[in-house]
Formats: sequence, C-alpha cells, structure tokens
Amino acid sequence: GAVVSQHPSRVICKSGTSVKIECRSLDFQATTMFWYRQFPKQSLMLMATSNEGSKATYEQGVEKDKFLINHASLTLSTLTVTSAHPEDSSFYICSAWTGNYGYTFGSGTRLTVV
Amino acid sequence: GQQLNQSPQSMFIQEGEDVSMNCTSSSIFNTWLWYKQDPGEGPVLLIALYKAGELTSNGRLTAQFGITRKDSFLNISASIPSDVGIYFCAGQGYSTLTFGKGTMLLVSP
Repeated sequence: GAVVSQHPSRVICKSGTSVKIECRSLDFQATTMFWYRQFPKQSLMLMATSNEGSKATYEQGVEKDKFLINHASLTLSTLTVTSAHPEDSSFYICSAWTGNYGYTFGSGTRLTVV
Repeated sequence: GQQLNQSPQSMFIQEGEDVSMNCTSSSIFNTWLWYKQDPGEGPVLLIALYKAGELTSNGRLTAQFGITRKDSFLNISASIPSDVGIYFCAGQGYSTLTFGKGTMLLVSP
C-alpha cells in the first residue's frame, strides 16, 4: 500500500511555455504532499509543502509565482512550472506522508526546457 | 537551517564486500531514514529509525540511530550488483525531511 504516482515521467518543453506535473496518492488520502527538486548528482531540495484545501508553503528562495502548486483534493497535488526557462530543467519529485508507511515518493519527472 | 553531512560521497567496491556509510547532523532529529535512489527514479525507503540507540535490520541492511540523535549509519553486508545506486540519509523534524547529499555506490561483479 501507500503508492504515489507521478506523471509525466519525462517532459520536454519550449522555453516560455508552462508545464504541469501531477502527483497522486493511489490508495490513501494525503492532506500534505511535498515537492522536491533534484539537480544532477545533488541531493533532494524541498521546494514547497502542498496542503489540501489551502495555500502551499514555499521554502525560502522558491518563487511561488513561478512554481504554482494546487492541492484541490486529498489524492492529487499538481506543480505547474510557469514560463519555463532552461535553468528550470531538473528532476522534480513529489512525496506524501502516508502515516504507517512514512514518506512515500513518486517516481519523479525529468523536465527539460529547450 | 539544518544540515546533514553524509559520507563517503562515493564508493566503488567488489561484489561480496560489506559497505558502511554514515550521516551526522548539526541538530537533533526525531527520526532517521535511509533511502535508495536508482537513476531516474524517486527514492525508496530502506530503513526507518525512531528511537535513539535503535538498531534495525532489513535483510542485508542494518542501520542505527545514534544515541545523541545527531547521527546514523547504514551497513550493507555481502554487496551484490543490484545494490548500485545512490543512498540518502534523511532526518525528520516536525513534518519535513532534510536529506544528506548522498552516497553513490558502485559494485563490480
């Protein structure tokens, strides 16, 4: 149990466009989800905490207007990278607190902005 | 902010060898977690430690939560090629995780 599904796994977009990444809890309800960013050979850096029915909490230095987070239901959180630029290219990973199973991570999304 | 120092940064070992990696923190954590990440995938939980001094095993993996609550180690015994990957420690505070920088493990057959 406690599976987090993340889509898409890979996306290539043109500079200036927006990209939406979905994170779903498949067999549990997640009031809180987390979005991380990971650069090559680097650790996971928390970007924001997504709260169902309320505004996300962003970490210092993360632009909330750039990285829009919506957590409209107990099973879905979305991260939209707006007006993407090549420096936004990265590996984005979502996570959810599952209770008994602790934190479970999605399989990640490789974003490439060209 | 909280920082985790994870070492070694990378290891290249022969199949069958034992491996040890550790994390230290500048502050106390309530829970220590060890994850493995394969290329292009999200981290997968290996072991969770909830009490200071706790020693927990999961197959060939053994991890301990330091008495001071500021450190943890992970041992892998009799390594096999599929152990290749990046291993991360993570400390859990109130509700969020802080990750170490990772240990890349390479195992030659």
